[in-house]
Amino acid sequence: GENVEQHPSTLSVQEGDSAVIKCTYSDSASNYFPWYKQELGKRPQLIIDIRSNVGEKKDQRIAVTLNKTAKHFSLHITETQPEDSAVYFCAASISSGGYQKVTFGTGTKLQVIP
Amino acid sequence: SAVISQKPSRDICQRGTSLTIQCQVDSQVTMMFWYRQQPGQSLTLIATANQGSEATYESGFVIDKFPISRPNLTFSTLTVSNMSPEDSSIYLCSVEAGQVSDTQYFGPGTRLTVL
Repeated sequence: GENVEQHPSTLSVQEGDSAVIKCTYSDSASNYFPWYKQELGKRPQLIIDIRSNVGEKKDQRIAVTLNKTAKHFSLHITETQPEDSAVYFCAASISSGGYQKVTFGTGTKLQVIP
Repeated sequence: SAVISQKPSRDICQRGTSLTIQCQVDSQVTMMFWYRQQPGQSLTLIATANQGSEATYESGFVIDKFPISRPNLTFSTLTVSNMSPEDSSIYLCSVEAGQVSDTQYFGPGTRLTVL
């Protein structure tokens, strides 16, 4: 089955700096890559996603890149703010019997220091 | 996205008992998913529930331990049976929604503590 690795497990940055989280996946058939943010005690919330026919996608301070050849994808957060502090999960999704089967990475705890 | 609710939001249970978690969606969805999130860990898929058919379980999860019902297109239940402290986790349901219906959105979760 699909295996998703995520690095780093923890990340501390100064407010205003950039943060980068990297993930790799194993199944070349994966075609959809969502990123979720989970604040303490809350549900995971989708923040951005990218499909396999796109190399890069940006939404304000957040961007995601995808390298299908290398099976790498990354989340970039610019101008970080304290409210960006949370656990971030990458995921790789593959079509399976009419739905998308999602495999999550291990998570990155981001701390933005004011 | 869909509006998803879960009951209960949290519970403390005794070893050997069972707990049924409910998941309600505000729109009809084909597939519903149940995940477990152990403390400080990632999300692990337990099973996928399609209305009108038996749930499909992932490796390591069995129907006797985690029976699932899916009586209609807006509702599902997950039962955690014969609980032990190792079952202490957050249980989340999710549904596919969005423009191309391939994005999963999560319910608020049920925090289960087993003593």
